[in-house]
Amino acid sequence: GENVEQHPSTLSVQEGDSAVIKCTYSDSASNYFPWYKQELGKRPQLIIDIRSNVGEKKDQRIAVTLNKTAKHFSLHITETQPEDSAVYFCAAKGGTSYGKLTFGQGTILTVHP
Amino acid sequence: EPEVTQTPSHQVTQMGQEVILRCVPISNHLYFYWYRQILGQKVEFLVSFYNNEISEKSEIFDDQFSVERPDGSNFTLKIRSTKLEDSAMYFCASSPRTSADIQYFGAGTRLSVL
Repeated sequence: GENVEQHPSTLSVQEGDSAVIKCTYSDSASNYFPWYKQELGKRPQLIIDIRSNVGEKKDQRIAVTLNKTAKHFSLHITETQPEDSAVYFCAAKGGTSYGKLTFGQGTILTVHP
Repeated sequence: EPEVTQTPSHQVTQMGQEVILRCVPISNHLYFYWYRQILGQKVEFLVSFYNNEISEKSEIFDDQFSVERPDGSNFTLKIRSTKLEDSAMYFCASSPRTSADIQYFGAGTRLSVL
């Protein structure tokens, strides 16, 4: 089955810096890659997603890139702010799946003022 | 903004007891999911549900687990005889008719089996 690896497990940046979180997946048929942000004690919230027919997608300060050949995708956050501090999860949906998401381990992002 | 609602937020039970975790998906959503996250581990898929039947389940979802949509609004996960290793955060999610991929998560139920 699908396996998703996420790095780094923790990331500490200064306010205003960029942050990059990377994920690799194993199933070449996977076709949907969402990113979730989870603040302490709150629900995972979808912040951006990308489908396998697209290489890059942006939404204000966040962007996701996908390299299907290498089977990896990345989350980029620019001009980080303290409120970006949270746990970020990547996930992948297999091509034959009815919706099953396979998650990475999560990255704890801390943005220092 | 509509949200997936889960109750209770924390459930404590004795080993061997049955528990029912409740979820109210977003209205008009048609696809429903349960995931769990054992402390310090990845979020793991348990089951997906569509049109009143299970569409996919993981190896974790064995005979002690069951799901039900008893009415038009609730979606429940039942664990028949809880084990210590069932202690985890359980997340419910739902997807709209227009996109089965996009999943909206509830805040979770923390299950503690003693």
